[in-house]
Amino acid sequence: DAGVIQSPRHEVTEMGQEVTLRCKPISGHNSLFWYRQTMMRGLELLIYFNNNVPIDDSGMPEDRFSAKMPNASFSTLKIQPSEPRDSAVYFCASSTVGGRTEAFFGQGTRLTVV
Amino acid sequence: GESVGLHLPTLSVQEGDNSIINCAYSNSASDYFIWYKQESGKGPQFIIDIRSNMDKRQGQRVTVLLNKTVKHLSLQIAATQPGDSAVYFCAENMKGSGANSKLTFGKGITLSVRP
Repeated sequence: DAGVIQSPRHEVTEMGQEVTLRCKPISGHNSLFWYRQTMMRGLELLIYFNNNVPIDDSGMPEDRFSAKMPNASFSTLKIQPSEPRDSAVYFCASSTVGGRTEAFFGQGTRLTVV
Repeated sequence: GESVGLHLPTLSVQEGDNSIINCAYSNSASDYFIWYKQESGKGPQFIIDIRSNMDKRQGQRVTVLLNKTVKHLSLQIAATQPGDSAVYFCAENMKGSGANSKLTFGKGITLSVRP
């Protein structure tokens, strides 16, 4: 298995633009997590899905952020409109059994909003 | 709210020495803990895990100790090597309803290995 695949690896966009981050979890994993990493706040859980259903989105910073998981092999995290303070590395991770085993992380998407 | 935290932001050790990285957690409902290693430009990688019904677990050159009485977790690395230089995170899995639970990370600590 190729592991968790995220795209793009790097994204530079102007403030106000829409940004879409993509994730393909490991086949057979039924839980998917979106994290944001910054120097100041570390790794923050934004939202997670079990069996394609959003379970907890309490970490989503505001309405500008939205996430979907239309099927077991694909998820998106969208920011609209983007702001400079959204600049961070965004990680997607997947696991089995609702997160009660280790989560496997993708390489991350480094987002820069100018 | 309850959270996972780390005692020290950086740790510098001599190559060949043993390293001990500490982590405090405050959520008594957490029942599963993981240590991750993150190298520059990469996502966190699983090192070792431990469930709350255990107090010690050993892997290859790594040992995790869990003290539920004081809510403390530690990672011990034997014979630290330059390749161990990275940021280390402890994470706790907070018990939720049914199979739902979420993995929450501490801030991270940088391990620097001196040659």
